[in-house]
Amino acid sequence: EPEVTQTPSHQVTQMGQEVILRCVPISNHLYFYWYRQILGQKVEFLVSFYNNEISEKSEIFDDQFSVERPDGSNFTLKIRSTKLEDSAMYFCASVRSTGPQETQYFGPGTRLLVL
Amino acid sequence: DQQVKQNSPSLSVQEGRISILNCDYTNSMFDYFLWYKKYPAEGPTFLISISSIKDKNEDGRFTVFLNKSAKHLSLHIVPSQPGDSAVYFCAASRYNFNKFYFGSGTKLNVKP
Repeated sequence: EPEVTQTPSHQVTQMGQEVILRCVPISNHLYFYWYRQILGQKVEFLVSFYNNEISEKSEIFDDQFSVERPDGSNFTLKIRSTKLEDSAMYFCASVRSTGPQETQYFGPGTRLLVL
Repeated sequence: DQQVKQNSPSLSVQEGRISILNCDYTNSMFDYFLWYKKYPAEGPTFLISISSIKDKNEDGRFTVFLNKSAKHLSLHIVPSQPGDSAVYFCAASRYNFNKFYFGSGTKLNVKP
């Protein structure tokens, strides 16, 4: 069964450093998303991406965040200058298309720890 | 942003009995609702969905009910199995699929 993959599984970084989280969505999917889950809290939407541009972003997704699909297969989330409160699990997801029968597939997540 | 709420943080059920997980939403513009199951250290896994034109959708042991007037949906698992023990999230979206809103999750424990 096709799956969304994410690398790395864990990342530890110093506050102020840049991190890039990588995702490989399912190959025929067209819509891509990043979510995060701070420990003990709900899964929060960060950004959606379609046709090489951001469709929608949340208030969390400020200028420190950016997304890119550099080569048609990877989908990356960059945090330019990490803060302690960026520590969370980051999930990538993808959907083939929009419609009532479509399923959003999630990756296993990257656990980011900012020290 | 509390557009989707799951007011029960945990639920404990005996194996073989019915598990009922509840979810409320505030935005009447939502068209599409999903339930996800999540194990620790894994991403959410899609379980079942329902569109706003229906009030029930069934898939094996899982049934989702939607009450649009009450802005309430529920997930029924019958019969419950120990392997169902996980955190269950409901999520809602408009059909443009641009943004999904998640509830805070309900941790289900099915006791053997």
